Amino acid sequence: DAKTTQPTSMDCAEGRAANLPCNHSTISGNEYVYWYRQIHSQGPQYIIHGLKNNETNEMASLIITEDRKSSTLILPHATLRDTAVYYCIVRVANGQNFVFGPGTRLSVLP
Amino acid sequence: EAGVAQSPRYKIIEKRQSVAFWCNPISGHATLYWYQQILGQGPKLLIQFQNNGVVDDSQLPKDRFSAERLKGVDSTLKIQPAKLEDSAVYLCASSLRGWRGGRLSPDEQYFGPGTRLTVT
Repeated sequence: DAKTTQPTSMDCAEGRAANLPCNHSTISGNEYVYWYRQIHSQGPQYIIHGLKNNETNEMASLIITEDRKSSTLILPHATLRDTAVYYCIVRVANGQNFVFGPGTRLSVLP
Repeated sequence: EAGVAQSPRYKIIEKRQSVAFWCNPISGHATLYWYQQILGQGPKLLIQFQNNGVVDDSQLPKDRFSAERLKGVDSTLKIQPAKLEDSAVYLCASSLRGWRGGRLSPDEQYFGPGTRLTVT
């Protein structure tokens, strides 16, 4: 079973920031938070990962709470091409069995 | 850098027939994964290889599914005989899973486009 809880769906206006929450209250000290997304008819795409510090790359920012029980993926300026299912996964680095839950279906609206 | 390649992209077979899928990972990636994704669900790991050895196949239905990774590069996943419930997208992924800057780095996985299997 997935160790994360995400909302089933969210809408976001084009050009606005999309904030996708994830709860992982049972996360262990050595587990990382990974985010992937899956655009329709494509394989999942890696976005970002972090352990306890906030992370930023060219795609998104990852904000992890101090107690590490939840995190938020931020797409700073959402575009129509960001419409996808977003998966939050917790996993030990280089551990086995990436467990995908149902994810959050993000719809970016014009 | 070329991505993960998979073929075929689509396959339609009748139940009890056999089918095989092929995957070519990103060059230099030692770890290869096969996932099954049923419509409306997240991907489910079937098997994980490290080079040409199996690391985890706990969720592979071994009575009908088999996979191999000869020479530690390309991989094939086979279903024989297929059942209706095997209709899904079969995704292959690879990861570098190695040392970076003197530390063992968390491995991000890179996925192929998948093979959509329909069993009638």
